[in-house]
Formats: sequence, C-alpha cells, structure tokens
Amino acid sequence: EVQLVESGGGLVQPGGSLRLSCAASGFTFSNYWMHWVRQVPGKGLVWVARTDSWGSGTSYADSVKGRFTISRDNAKNTLYLQMNNLAVEDTAVYYCIRGRGVINVFDYWGQGTPVTVSS
Amino acid sequence: DIQMTQSPSTLSASVGDRVTITCRASQSISSWLAWYQQKPGKVPKLLIYKASTLESGVPSRFSGSGSGTEFSLSISSLQPDDFATYYCQQYDTYATFGQGTKLEIK
Repeated sequence: EVQLVESGGGLVQPGGSLRLSCAASGFTFSNYWMHWVRQVPGKGLVWVARTDSWGSGTSYADSVKGRFTISRDNAKNTLYLQMNNLAVEDTAVYYCIRGRGVINVFDYWGQGTPVTVSS
Repeated sequence: DIQMTQSPSTLSASVGDRVTITCRASQSISSWLAWYQQKPGKVPKLLIYKASTLESGVPSRFSGSGSGTEFSLSISSLQPDDFATYYCQQYDTYATFGQGTKLEIK
C-alpha cells in the first residue's frame, strides 16, 4: 500500500524557515517524480514544486521560486521541502504527492501537514 | 502561466441527476487534463486523466471529454457519495488547478 506521511509543519513567524519531510513507503520511491501541492483550508489547490526521480531536475511555482527548495533522499525514501523567508500568504496545508511517471498527474496524496505563518 | 477556469462554482443537484462541470484553459493544453474529487476533510482523489481516461476503480458514471481549451466532467446519475468539490488540473506546463466546483445536494 502506497503511503506518504508528511511532517515538519507548524507555526512560524514571517521571514522564518521550516523544512517539511515526507516519508514514502509501499512503492519504489526512487522511480517516481514527486511533488508538493498546497491548499489554504476551504480554498483551492496550488502546485508548489516538483523533483524528478533523481533529485537533479526541479521546478517551482513562481510564487515560491528562490525561497523554497525541493529535494529528496532516495536512500531514506524521503522527500523534503525547505521553505525560507516565509510569508503570511504561504499559510496552507502542504501535501506530498507521487506523480504518475514523468507527467504531473497526482495519483497518491499524503494527508498533509499544516503550515501557519503568523506573528 | 496557464489559467484554468471552472464553471459553475457551485452546482445544486439531486440524487439521480446528470450533471456536467466545465473547465476552460487559457491556452491549448491538448488533452493534458485531469479531474479530482475532494470531500471535506479528505485529500483529493484522481478521477480522470488525459481528459477522458478513467482512473482505475472510479465508477463508470464519471466521464470526461474535451481537448484544446474546453473540457467537461459529467456524472451520469448522481449518487449520495458524489457530493463533493471537483477540481480540474492542467499538466501541459507544470500544473495548474481550477478554482473548484462544489457539488451540493439540492
């Protein structure tokens, strides 16, 4: 059974940093592109970042480019999202997602970890 | 950036009704479109990809159509379990979601 379990969310002040982690199991992690998507509770979904299966090819939404870094450790079956210079607008639930092959279709989602940016 | 616009934002319907949700892309995305269902407190679930391909395990009352910039999701006979919010998503260039359509019980 595919499982994605996020951790690392919490309350942080504007300008602060957080690192999210996503522990993957039930599939060969190193074969899949992985993504982060966020959602403000009660609002829509926003794609944040993507990494290829090796971690060498990454892409970001314009709203987070230069502030967020997606990475992975295939030996630990873990995906990361380093978030720096956080703003109030980054407040959301962050989902770790497995991509389907090399296309951005999202077939398995973690339960999400909440991030609140507030003073 | 490719923008995705869904209509309507809210749809009221009854069990047994046939409903259709529309999604429009700001530029052509060929058939690179997916649909997701999200229930309150749950994560989104993939229903359809490549505009019309049903994900494994999804009931056949769900169907998708369209290409280019105009797409639709239809549910042929609404069941109580179908009342949820539906999102379209383009994956031609990175990924962009529509704003969602809340399907509620009339």
